[in-house]
Amino acid sequence: EEQLVESGGGLVKPGGSLRLSCAASGFAFSSYILSWVRQAPGKGLQWVSSISHNSYYKHYADSLKGRFTISRDNAKNSVYLQLDSLGADDTGVYYCTREPLYCRDASCLDLWGQGTLVTVSS
Amino acid sequence: QSALTQPASVSGSPGQSITISCTGTSSDIGAYNYNYVSWFQQHPGKAPKFLIYEVTNRPSGVPDRFSGSKSGNTASLSISGLQAEDEADYYCASYTTSSTVVFGGGTRLTVL
Repeated sequence: EEQLVESGGGLVKPGGSLRLSCAASGFAFSSYILSWVRQAPGKGLQWVSSISHNSYYKHYADSLKGRFTISRDNAKNSVYLQLDSLGADDTGVYYCTREPLYCRDASCLDLWGQGTLVTVSS
Repeated sequence: QSALTQPASVSGSPGQSITISCTGTSSDIGAYNYNYVSWFQQHPGKAPKFLIYEVTNRPSGVPDRFSGSKSGNTASLSISGLQAEDEADYYCASYTTSSTVVFGGGTRLTVL
């Protein structure tokens, strides 16, 4: 079964940092573009970042650039999101997602994890 | 990048058809030669589900009651033969000319 499982969320103080992880299984991880999407409580979806299969291309939402860093380790079938200088409006569920091979479009996200909750509060 | 514009809510009775619009700009939905619009369905407390890609295509397993279209800067999702389980939040998304992705604000579908 193809699966993405996020971890690393939790409670962090304003200004703090957190590293989210996403472990993939059931598919050829190193062939796929992976992305992170987040959702604040009771709000809509917001695209955060994507990384190409070989880590050569990394893209970020303009509003987040400089604070978040995406990376991956194909040997470990994992993708990561480093969150720095966190503020209250970064609170939400962070989903790991996959772009299917038949798409040429980064909005095309066919597999989602269950999400990991990040809460920024003092 | 501003979010795509969707109606906050739509409703319909079982068996009826509804359409949800999603309006963007010439930098995303209306970009030259772009057919890069996707749609997602999200039930409360669940991860989003992939419904439509590249404006009109359905992934394997998605019923043909769901269909997509686009005209200019506006994309649309239509659902025919409404069923109780279609009650959910629906989101559009588009690839942009900046190589990023922008989502719509979401539409709550109520099946009366």
